[in-house]
Amino acid sequence: AQTVTQSQPEMSVQEAETVTLSCTYDTSESNYYLFWYKQPPSRQMILVIRQEAYKQQNATENRFSVNFQKAAKSFSLKISDSQLGDTAMYFCAFMHSGGSNYKLTFGKGTLLTVNP
Amino acid sequence: EAQVTQNPRYLITVTGKKLTVTCSQNMNHEYMSWYRQDPGLGLRQIYYSMNVEVTDKGDVPEGYKVSRKEKRNFPLILESPSPNQTSLYFCASSSHRGKRGNQPQHFGDGTRLSIL
Repeated sequence: AQTVTQSQPEMSVQEAETVTLSCTYDTSESNYYLFWYKQPPSRQMILVIRQEAYKQQNATENRFSVNFQKAAKSFSLKISDSQLGDTAMYFCAFMHSGGSNYKLTFGKGTLLTVNP
Repeated sequence: EAQVTQNPRYLITVTGKKLTVTCSQNMNHEYMSWYRQDPGLGLRQIYYSMNVEVTDKGDVPEGYKVSRKEKRNFPLILESPSPNQTSLYFCASSSHRGKRGNQPQHFGDGTRLSIL
């Protein structure tokens, strides 16, 4: 079974600075999808960024970018110019590319606090 | 507006009293799924449905039932709730069109259940 590990239960960063959240995963598949979700105090699950394992180029969405290292099975999230609204729980998630279940396998989460 | 609607948002009840959490989506999505979120464990899949009348177990199905009689609705049923089912529950849906990783899963706003 796939596992997703987020080794940092909590992190903090000053406003306007850059922070990197770590995620590693375990799979024997060659193609799959990886995601970062944000859960603010309102508890909504918001998709931040996604990456397909076949694509070499790291995904970027505005201030959010990933460092995808397929051989190392690592998928870290970098948040640049941190804003107070980035304060949230962040979940890394894995999805198979085949099969009948579109299940997301989540890590345990990293609670990020952005300080003014 | 595209959305997944869960009801209720909050519920406090007692052991053994049957309850149903409703989930409805207005995007004509084929795939729907239920997750539970517990502190330190991330989100775990309970059940999923690939289409009407097609359901299957996820990773933590014990104590839960589901049905998919209509495409838009996917209720979660706790026939005899117990305190260990106290959790935050999320319903999610997505489309089968195109690559699965390119079809974002839309999450409901969550249901906080407390079983006393």
